[in-house]
Amino acid sequence: GENVEQHPSTLSVQEGDSAVIKCTYSDSASNYFPWYKQELGKRPQLIIDIRSNVGEKKDQRIAVTLNKTAKHFSLHITETQPEDSAVYFCAVTLYNNNDMRFGAGTRLTVKP
Amino acid sequence: DVKVTQSSRYLVKRTGEKVFLECVQDMDHENMFWYRQDPGLGLRLIYFSYDVKMKEKGDIPEGYSVSREKKERFSLILESASTNQTSMYLCASSLRRATYGYTFGSGTRLTVV
Repeated sequence: GENVEQHPSTLSVQEGDSAVIKCTYSDSASNYFPWYKQELGKRPQLIIDIRSNVGEKKDQRIAVTLNKTAKHFSLHITETQPEDSAVYFCAVTLYNNNDMRFGAGTRLTVKP
Repeated sequence: DVKVTQSSRYLVKRTGEKVFLECVQDMDHENMFWYRQDPGLGLRLIYFSYDVKMKEKGDIPEGYSVSREKKERFSLILESASTNQTSMYLCASSLRRATYGYTFGSGTRLTVV
């Protein structure tokens, strides 16, 4: 089955700095890669996703890059703000699969 | 607003009890999932269902069973609760393909004493 590794497990940055979280996966057939944000005490919510036919996708301050050859993808958050503090999960699935596999999560803390 | 509702936010049960965790979605989604969330381990898939009365084992099904008698409701059952099942349980639903994204419930924090 698919194995997803996520690094780092914790990340602390100063407000305004950039944050990068990386995930690697094992199944080369995987082709859908979403990122979820979970604020303290709340449910995970989809923030951005990318499909395997695209190398990069941006949405305001967040972006995701995908390297299919190396089987890794990364979440980039620029100009971080305190409200970006949360746990971020990457996930992987095959396009026609019903289920996803998640990374272990990264706890991001943005210090004012 | 799209909703996945879990019946209990906090639950305390005794070892050996039979425990039911209920999840209801109002989006007419085909797929429903149960994950458990533990620090450092992320979200691990217990069971999922892609249709009424259908179920598939996830990565950690041992000690759990599920029931999906109606499309909108997916129940997780702990036949005989044990302390190592103390965890946060998250229900999610999606349209037929996972690529439409999951909608998660708010979670049930289960403590087994």
